[in-house]
Amino acid sequence: KAGVTQTPRYLIKTRGQQVTLSCSPISGHRSVSWYQQTPGQGLQFLFEYFSETQRNKGNFPGRFSGRQFSNSRSEMNVSTLELGDSALYLCASSLGRASPSYEQYFGPGTRLTVT
Amino acid sequence: AQTVTQSQPEMSVQEAETVTLSCTYDTSESDYYLFWYKQPPSRQMILVIRQEAYKQQNATENRFSVNFQKAAKSFSLKISDSQLGDAAMYFCAYRIPGGGGADGLTFGKGTHLIIQP
Repeated sequence: KAGVTQTPRYLIKTRGQQVTLSCSPISGHRSVSWYQQTPGQGLQFLFEYFSETQRNKGNFPGRFSGRQFSNSRSEMNVSTLELGDSALYLCASSLGRASPSYEQYFGPGTRLTVT
Repeated sequence: AQTVTQSQPEMSVQEAETVTLSCTYDTSESDYYLFWYKQPPSRQMILVIRQEAYKQQNATENRFSVNFQKAAKSFSLKISDSQLGDAAMYFCAYRIPGGGGADGLTFGKGTHLIIQP
């Protein structure tokens, strides 16, 4: 079974631009979560989607948004990029509420650099 | 808010030896899940082991085992017979079940594990 895939793997953008990252979960998984990883702040939860609905949201500004499609694939969007948005963005999938332990499986991440 | 603390930024162990990574957490919940994730230099985060808070028995997965002390809010990871491939950042993570306030996984800052050949 294929793992979680994320595209693109690397991205360089300029301040003020917007960016869209994509995540395809493991087949059969209906929940997708997004995390931001930086050296200073570590791993921080962005949001979680289940059955096309945002279930939970972390403490990030409204510039960060996401969505989930009917095939469980998810995208996250960051508008008006700031230098501080440079980070590794990780996507994780899980069965969702069908998984009693809420195990999440991570993709390789998208390295975003904002210049 | 829940917090996860890993007090050891870096640990070093000789190959084939045993090492224990520490993790403490703060929560007022009684039902939750704890995880250890490994992130090798390739950056792919890998689930190592999980523990359900309602289970008293400590989880084990081959060479990996945990010491879960619910009253002390402690969740340490023991790696036996350390191998060079175990070198990575190890993250302790916590999650409460269900929606309505659940915040995904809450991670500690990580412990960088070095394996000396």
